[in-house]
Amino acid sequence: EVQLVESGGGLVQPGGSLRLSCAASGFTFSSYEMNWVRQAPGKGLEWVSYISSSDSTIYYADSVKGRFTISRDNAKNSQYLQMNSLRAEDTAVYYCATRGFDYWGQGTLVTVSS
Amino acid sequence: DVVMTQSPLSLPVTLGQPASISCRSSQSLVHSDGNTYLNWFQQRPGQSPRRLIYKVSNRDSGVPDRFSGSGSGTDFTLKISRVEAEDVGVYYCMQGTHWPPITFGPGTKVDIK
Repeated sequence: EVQLVESGGGLVQPGGSLRLSCAASGFTFSSYEMNWVRQAPGKGLEWVSYISSSDSTIYYADSVKGRFTISRDNAKNSQYLQMNSLRAEDTAVYYCATRGFDYWGQGTLVTVSS
Repeated sequence: DVVMTQSPLSLPVTLGQPASISCRSSQSLVHSDGNTYLNWFQQRPGQSPRRLIYKVSNRDSGVPDRFSGSGSGTDFTLKISRVEAEDVGVYYCMQGTHWPPITFGPGTKVDIK
């Protein structure tokens, strides 16, 4: 059974940093391209970032470019999202999803507030 | 960036009756490889999104056959032939043809009258 489990969310002050993790199981993670998608409270879905299977190709939404860094460790079947210079508008549930968006995690809530 | 719009944004439906959601893109979603990368997602209250339809009309495994997708170019439709109580939630279209960025529609909230 495919499982994606996010962790690392929490309350952080504006300007702070947080690192999200997504642990994958039930499939050959090293062969899969991955995404991060977020959803602000009561709002729609926003694509955040993409990483290829070998991390040779990486893309970001303009809203997070220069502040967020996506990475992965295929030996640990995990991907990460390092979030720096956080703003109130980054408050959202962050989902890990496969390239085709056929599998999603349960999400982890990030709250940026003083 | 490709802008995705949906209508209606709110859709009250009667149990057992059909429902239809429209999705439009600001440019054609036909990829140079000939495919059209338009997906539909369902998000039930308190749950993660779930992909229902990929490449316009292909139903995902386990998705009831009352859900169907159609369309081409810039105009797409998700239809529910007979709405059931478990279909309540928000439905999103998403394009993966012209990316980055991948873009989602604003969502259509389906609830029971």
